[in-house]
Amino acid sequence: SQKIEQNSEALNIQEGKTATLTCNYTNYSPAYLQWYRQDPGRGPVFLLLIRENEKEKRKERLKVTFDTTLKQSLFHITASQPADSATYLCALISNFGNEKLTFGTGTRLTIIP
Amino acid sequence: NAGVTQTPKFQVLKTGQSMTLQCAQDMNHEYMSWYRQDPGMGLRLIHYSVGAGITDQGEVPNGYNVSRSTTEDFPLRLLSAAPSQTSVYFCASSTGLAGIASTDTQYFGPGTRLTVL
Repeated sequence: SQKIEQNSEALNIQEGKTATLTCNYTNYSPAYLQWYRQDPGRGPVFLLLIRENEKEKRKERLKVTFDTTLKQSLFHITASQPADSATYLCALISNFGNEKLTFGTGTRLTIIP
Repeated sequence: NAGVTQTPKFQVLKTGQSMTLQCAQDMNHEYMSWYRQDPGMGLRLIHYSVGAGITDQGEVPNGYNVSRSTTEDFPLRLLSAAPSQTSVYFCASSTGLAGIASTDTQYFGPGTRLTVL
């Protein structure tokens, strides 16, 4: 069956370090992968989209990689700050014509001052 | 622009009651969706619409109805509430279906927290 797994429910990182979040998928052929940020009591906010033929995408302190061989995306936040604390969701859009987002369960990131 | 708005923010229902969750967007987006978010389950698509008058089912449509009479509004109706429908509901809109083009972004509303007793 199709599955999207984000590496852990919670991740604690020291301020200033790089936070790396993992999104693994099975039985998908994704055309696109998206990352969202969600703060408590709020809706998800779109951060980055990466296509299957792109290896890496950057936006300010954010970097996303996409390895279709490993079936994995990594989401990096460099020079992390307490304000980066949130839950981060990955979501896939399949190549099989079913063009609707499927979300992972999210990783709750806490940046410790 | 207000973006995507949802009302109410919180709602408590008794089993068997019906209600409508409201969603509106002022960005002239064609695509709108309803999701529910449950602990450990991720966001799951309930229903979606690709334009006024056109709706389709998502992953978990049972117990919910939708209609899209205008571009701006996409209400979600619970026909006969059940405890299994206790969840946080999010409405979203985008210019493309699920934001598949690089310039497309899916915008989410603030959510409605529903409890069914």
